[in-house]
Amino acid sequence: GEEVAQTPKHLVRGEGQKAKLYCAPIKGHSYVFWYQQVLKNEFKFLISFQNENVFDETGMPKERFSAKCLPNSPCSLEIQATKLEDSAVYFCASSQSNTGFTYEQYFGPGTRLTVT
Amino acid sequence: GDSVTQMEGPVTLSEEAFLTINCTYTATGYPSLFWYVQYPGEGLQLLLKATKADDKGSNKGFEATYRKETTSFHLEKGSVQVSDSAVYFCALRGRGNQGGKLIFGQGTELSVKP
Repeated sequence: GEEVAQTPKHLVRGEGQKAKLYCAPIKGHSYVFWYQQVLKNEFKFLISFQNENVFDETGMPKERFSAKCLPNSPCSLEIQATKLEDSAVYFCASSQSNTGFTYEQYFGPGTRLTVT
Repeated sequence: GDSVTQMEGPVTLSEEAFLTINCTYTATGYPSLFWYVQYPGEGLQLLLKATKADDKGSNKGFEATYRKETTSFHLEKGSVQVSDSAVYFCALRGRGNQGGKLIFGQGTELSVKP
């Protein structure tokens, strides 16, 4: 597609439950990025993929967060045993390439996760 | 590590006023610089970008110039409209082994009154 698609739009989970978020990148884009927006404005990088391979996972809280990008499937971000502090908007972005580091990232509309 | 610092908001202006939102960065090498805009309830939209020193990015009346000597990328617009009300994020994308992730400033909320 021509836009990054994210589902669901809103997700409510009780503390300790699992949350799974999905992202379909723009067709032809090889790179997928996940960001977490907390406190309304602060963006934090979580993880990136080059096709189905993890490219950079330096931002991932590894104990409870995991992510995958499998062929012919939307990418996913999963949080096991959610905590209150996981409440945030999770954005997915895709880019065509990292060659020359000039390609911009296109963002999806985000998934708002509320942990109660 | 790399970082971006923006002026604190909120910024409140009257329609047709001049806008400046300051952005400075710290980075190794020569990053690419971006301004993104987030309208209420929406995702980020790329507003403009610059990839090397002295480049000027421009779009929809907004401009920003990549100043290596002052490590700045200030956003300007000569005459703002009510529809420009949004949160503006300055970001950099490092080179080398950064993996292409964006590093964002804290965002500056702009409110334009009629």
